[in-house]
Amino acid sequence: EVQLVESGGGLVKPGGSLRLSCVGSGFSFSDYGVNWVRQAPGKGLEWVSSICRHTTNMHYADSVRGRFTISRDNAKNSLYLQMNSLRVEDTALYYCARGVAGDGTRGAFDIWGRGTVVTVSS
Amino acid sequence: DIVLTQSPGTLSLSPGERATLSCRASQSVTNNYLAWYQQKPGQAPRLLIYGASSRATGIPDRFSGSGSGTDFTLTISRLEPEDFAVFYCQQYGSSPYIFGQGTKLESK
Repeated sequence: EVQLVESGGGLVKPGGSLRLSCVGSGFSFSDYGVNWVRQAPGKGLEWVSSICRHTTNMHYADSVRGRFTISRDNAKNSLYLQMNSLRVEDTALYYCARGVAGDGTRGAFDIWGRGTVVTVSS
Repeated sequence: DIVLTQSPGTLSLSPGERATLSCRASQSVTNNYLAWYQQKPGQAPRLLIYGASSRATGIPDRFSGSGSGTDFTLTISRLEPEDFAVFYCQQYGSSPYIFGQGTKLESK
């Protein structure tokens, strides 16, 4: 079964840090771009960051650029999101999603995990 | 950056009816790289349409996408009870890969 499983969410104080992980299985993880998308409680979807299969191409939403860092370890079929200087408005359910096969990051998100919850509160 | 505006915000229809959802971009979407997703409460989004008009794997043919440039449409030809949900469009032609604000399709 093709799937993505996120972990690493939790409660953190404003200004704190957290590292999210996402493990892919059932497909050749290294062949695909992967992405992070978040959803604040009761709100819509917000794209956060994308990384191509060879890590040479990464993109960030303005709201997280300079604070979040996306990375991957293809040997471990894993995607990461290092989140620093967290703010209350970063509170959300964070999804990882599979993107395009091949090079680049321009692809629809065809496989989604169930998400991991990040709560930023004092 | 491209802004995607979805309309209507809420659509109230009955099973068996036809649903038409709109997504308008503030500038032309590169290569018509426009996707539609369905999200039900407590679930992750599901890809329905990519490339503006191609159905994703396993998506019933009552779902169809059309449009190009700045104007896109998702049509559900005959609503089934399981179709009621929130629908999002997304452009992935150029970063940032923005989502629209969503259209809630509710049962009348």
